[in-house]
Amino acid sequence: GAVVSQHPSWVICKSGTSVKIECRSLDFQATTMFWYRQFPKQSLMLMATSNEGSKATYEQGVEKDKFLINHASLTLSTLTVTSAHPEDSSFYICSARDRLAGRYNEQFFGPGTRLTVL
Amino acid sequence: SQQGEEDPQALSIQEGENATMNCSYKTSINNLQWYRQNSGRGLVHLILIRSNEREKHSGRLRVTLDTSKKSSSLLITASRAADTASYFCATGTSGSRLTFGEGTQLTVNP
Repeated sequence: GAVVSQHPSWVICKSGTSVKIECRSLDFQATTMFWYRQFPKQSLMLMATSNEGSKATYEQGVEKDKFLINHASLTLSTLTVTSAHPEDSSFYICSARDRLAGRYNEQFFGPGTRLTVL
Repeated sequence: SQQGEEDPQALSIQEGENATMNCSYKTSINNLQWYRQNSGRGLVHLILIRSNEREKHSGRLRVTLDTSKKSSSLLITASRAADTASYFCATGTSGSRLTFGEGTQLTVNP
């Protein structure tokens, strides 16, 4: 149980295009999903917290107009990188918190999406 | 910003030896979690220790938490080559967000 999928697993795009990444909780409902980015040999940096049915909460320094997040259902959140540039190339990872989780918040992580912007 | 600091940044050991990684943090926490990441892959949850717990075991893993020193350690006993990966600690608050440490790259040589 507690499986999170991401699609696509990797994507290469041209500079200026937009890319959508999907994050799905396959066997549980997630009221909250999180989006992270990870540069090579670095740690995960939280970009935003996505709450089902409401606006995402972005971390300081993350442009909300560039990284659009939609959490339209209890099992799906999407991250759209708009007008992508080479500096947006990174590994994007989502995680999901089970709606039924207690106060100790184990998060389940997706396998990540490797974005390369040419 | 990342509040967790891990040491060492890199650790290389022989198969069969024990590996110890440490994590320090700065603010009050609800829980602390350890994750493993193979190169270019997603994270695998290893163990969660609550703020009112001091030690926890799971198979070959042993985690300690000292809230007075704001530190945690992860011990992997009888290491195997397959344990080679990056290991991250992450602190959790009641607001459910996680803050990750910088990670330790563990290499277990066969």
